Amino acid sequence: RKEVEQDPGPFNVPEGATVAFNCTYSNSASQSFFWYRQDCRKEPKLLMSVYSSGNEDGRFTAQLNRASQYISLLIRDSKLSDSATYLCVVSRGNTPLVFGKGTRLSVIA
Amino acid sequence: DVKVTQSSRYLVKRTGEKVFLECVQDMDHENMFWYRQDPGLGLRLIYFSYDVKMKEKGDIPEGYSVSREKKERFSLILESASTNQTSMYLCASSERTGMKETQYFGPGTRLLVL
Repeated sequence: RKEVEQDPGPFNVPEGATVAFNCTYSNSASQSFFWYRQDCRKEPKLLMSVYSSGNEDGRFTAQLNRASQYISLLIRDSKLSDSATYLCVVSRGNTPLVFGKGTRLSVIA
Repeated sequence: DVKVTQSSRYLVKRTGEKVFLECVQDMDHENMFWYRQDPGLGLRLIYFSYDVKMKEKGDIPEGYSVSREKKERFSLILESASTNQTSMYLCASSERTGMKETQYFGPGTRLLVL
């Protein structure tokens, strides 16, 4: 089983829609969780960290469920500029970050 | 603003050539990484370094080596390039604050080996 698994998509949604991605991780020793965003032909960039209590940044909400070992990202009121690949990332502390393969989102006008 | 720069955006080499990919970061980060990214396979870690002159193998080190002589510079070397090393190569540096680690990536080098 892969350490971090994501549905590759693509998720094709109309502007204004709400879309959610899930990501599962297999190592219960995982300590920190993040979502990165990667635009087409660009490098990945940190979108947001994921905290146990859940956290929100504008239209983006991230949640962590340790018992079921998954994290989620919710995007409300989708914009065309949200079209990108979203990478789920897990940290186990003193080892390199583990990146999922990404979920591709395409927001359509 | 953190900046990670890579020596080339695009590179074309021939099979058997020795290839150097250079990466420089300007934020005094201890940690540096080299990844390759291929369609359907995601980011795969080649090598990483947590300190000057230190290097650790990642998930796919075969056919690659690295050099970290100075803190700000981490070089990836393909000793004898092969066509299956055609890929996008991404360098990253990071800082760790408690439980939080943020990686900053360079713009990438698209390498084509003919």
